[in-house]
Amino acid sequence: AQTVTQSQPEMSVQEAETVTLSCTYDTSESNYYLFWYKQPPSRQMILVIRQEAYKQQNATENRFSVNFQKAAKSFSLKISDSQLGDTAMYFCAFMATGTASKLTFGTGTRLQVTL
Amino acid sequence: NAGVTQTPKFQVLKTGQSMTLQCAQDMNHEYMSWYRQDPGMGLRLIHYSVGAGITDQGEVPNGYNVSRSTTEDFPLRLLSAAPSQTSVYFCASSHPDGYGYTFGSGTRLTVV
Repeated sequence: AQTVTQSQPEMSVQEAETVTLSCTYDTSESNYYLFWYKQPPSRQMILVIRQEAYKQQNATENRFSVNFQKAAKSFSLKISDSQLGDTAMYFCAFMATGTASKLTFGTGTRLQVTL
Repeated sequence: NAGVTQTPKFQVLKTGQSMTLQCAQDMNHEYMSWYRQDPGMGLRLIHYSVGAGITDQGEVPNGYNVSRSTTEDFPLRLLSAAPSQTSVYFCASSHPDGYGYTFGSGTRLTVV
């Protein structure tokens, strides 16, 4: 079974600054995907970024990037130039290939962006 | 393109009542799942389906039933509601390609 750990329940960052959210995972699988989902106050789950474990290159999506350390089983999310609209709950999630796309989620990090 | 549609958005039930949470997707996704979200616990998988007529249990299946008669629909049934089932429920769908799930907007269920 897989586990996903997000050790930062809450974080705060000022607008235009950079913040990094941590995520570690434990698995015996060799092929898998990792995701960051954003949940704003609207409750909608929004996919932010995706990483394939076999790719060494870190994924980036505009202001969002990851630091994927496969040996350390670490998958942190960096948000650059933070905006008020980034205020949300962020969930790290794991999915092993061939498992019917079953996601295992961490407990989430609540991010507050302030003026 | 509606994506994943969940109804209702809010529901209050009395203990012992039954109800069905509806979920429909229009993206021709093979995979569909139900998750529940509780404070401090992230999202946990209740049941999932890899195609019409095929369902399986997830991490927390007790007290819930599902069926998948069509590709589009994946309803979740609460057989006899209990206060422990107070939660936010999400339906999600995806292709089997590792690109992650598209989620519905959720149902907030309160059992009193």
